[in-house]
Amino acid sequence: DAKTTQPPSMDCAEGRAANLPCNHSTISGNEYVYWYRQIHSQGPQYIIHGLKNNETNEMASLIITEDRKSSTLILPHATLRDTAVYYCIVQETSGSRLTFGEGTQLTVNP
Amino acid sequence: EPEVTQTPSHQVTQMGQEVILRCVPISNHLYFYWYRQILGQKVEFLVSFYNNEISEKSEIFDDQFSVERPDGSNFTLKIRSTKLEDSAMYFCASSESWGASSYNEQFFGPGTRLTVL
Repeated sequence: DAKTTQPPSMDCAEGRAANLPCNHSTISGNEYVYWYRQIHSQGPQYIIHGLKNNETNEMASLIITEDRKSSTLILPHATLRDTAVYYCIVQETSGSRLTFGEGTQLTVNP
Repeated sequence: EPEVTQTPSHQVTQMGQEVILRCVPISNHLYFYWYRQILGQKVEFLVSFYNNEISEKSEIFDDQFSVERPDGSNFTLKIRSTKLEDSAMYFCASSESWGASSYNEQFFGPGTRLTVL
């Protein structure tokens, strides 16, 4: 079973920041937090990942709490094309599989 | 930008028939994966593959399934005798290295929709 908890759905206005929370209270020291998204049954798309420091790339920012029990994915200026299911996944350094949960359906409204 | 490709995009088959789904991973990647997603359900891990061997497999990946890297570019998933419940999207993925790390992520293909009649 997935080790993360996410809200089933969220809405965001176009142009505003989308903040997607994830709870991973049982995360262990050798597990990274990964974020993927899936746009309408396309293949999952990698967004960003991190261990304990905050991370930023061209797509998003990832904020991980100091105790690592939760994180937030931030899409700084959401567009209609960001409408997708967003998955927060914890993956260990010694394992290959990604375990997907239900994710958060983000709907960006005009 | 390099990408994972999959063929065919849609495969229709009769129950009991064998199917082979094909994937071309990103060229410098060494680790390969198959996942599936039944309509309306979660993405599920099937198998990971490295150095011509299965590295890890899930309980879904039973004797009906096999994987192969027949040449230097293709990675295939074979289902020997398809069942109705094998109908799903099948995603191939590849990565540079094993497991989570600061520089490793899995890149997914667009998927093959398998319909078993």
